[in-house]
Amino acid sequence: DIQLTQSPSTLSASVGDRVTITCRASQNIDGWLAWYHQKPGRAPKLLIYKASNLESGVPSRFSGSGSGTEFTLTLSTLQPEDFGTYYCQQYQGSSRTFGQGTKVEI
Amino acid sequence: QLQLQESGPGLVRPSETLSLTCSVSGGSVSSSLYYWAWIRQSPGKGLEWIASLFYSGSTYYNLSMQGRATISLDTSKNQFFLRLSSVTAADTAVYYCARLRISAANFDLWGRGTLVTVSS
Repeated sequence: DIQLTQSPSTLSASVGDRVTITCRASQNIDGWLAWYHQKPGRAPKLLIYKASNLESGVPSRFSGSGSGTEFTLTLSTLQPEDFGTYYCQQYQGSSRTFGQGTKVEI
Repeated sequence: QLQLQESGPGLVRPSETLSLTCSVSGGSVSSSLYYWAWIRQSPGKGLEWIASLFYSGSTYYNLSMQGRATISLDTSKNQFFLRLSSVTAADTAVYYCARLRISAANFDLWGRGTLVTVSS
């Protein structure tokens, strides 16, 4: 199975900061990577698909990049509602796995 | 707006079978654009994909479920289901049903989740 490793595991930041989260895959997944945001007690919400495509309705301060085995999620200007945990998710063949998550504390 | 709603018992005894239903409203499980999926999250842990299926009957499973999981659907009721046999305390989790967008291979809509506790 393809493993996804996110870094950092926890991130402390202030409103207005630029934040970057990295997701590394154990094998080449081309651009088949998505990013999700989850707040406590809520279901995850899709932010980015196919590595760099912004899901409809998601603020433009979110952006994604990367291909192959290394990917990044960037929040250009952190807002109070952006706290929570961010997960990457890969698709390769018939398998889908998630990263272990990055908790963003504000 | 399509919505997903999980339902099922909140408590299951060890060694028994967990059975969950996902009811789909505002759209059809027979769409050719989507798969339907179950994902779980153990308390304080990350997300784990369990299984996906297409309305035609094609199914995919996480090999870590070791053959214990079965996903199915009923197009007449616009519902899909999860059965997980021989449960242990390690299967205690919030179980989510979700829609899997084929074109981008991601989960674009999720239910609110239902907590299932495995305990005697």
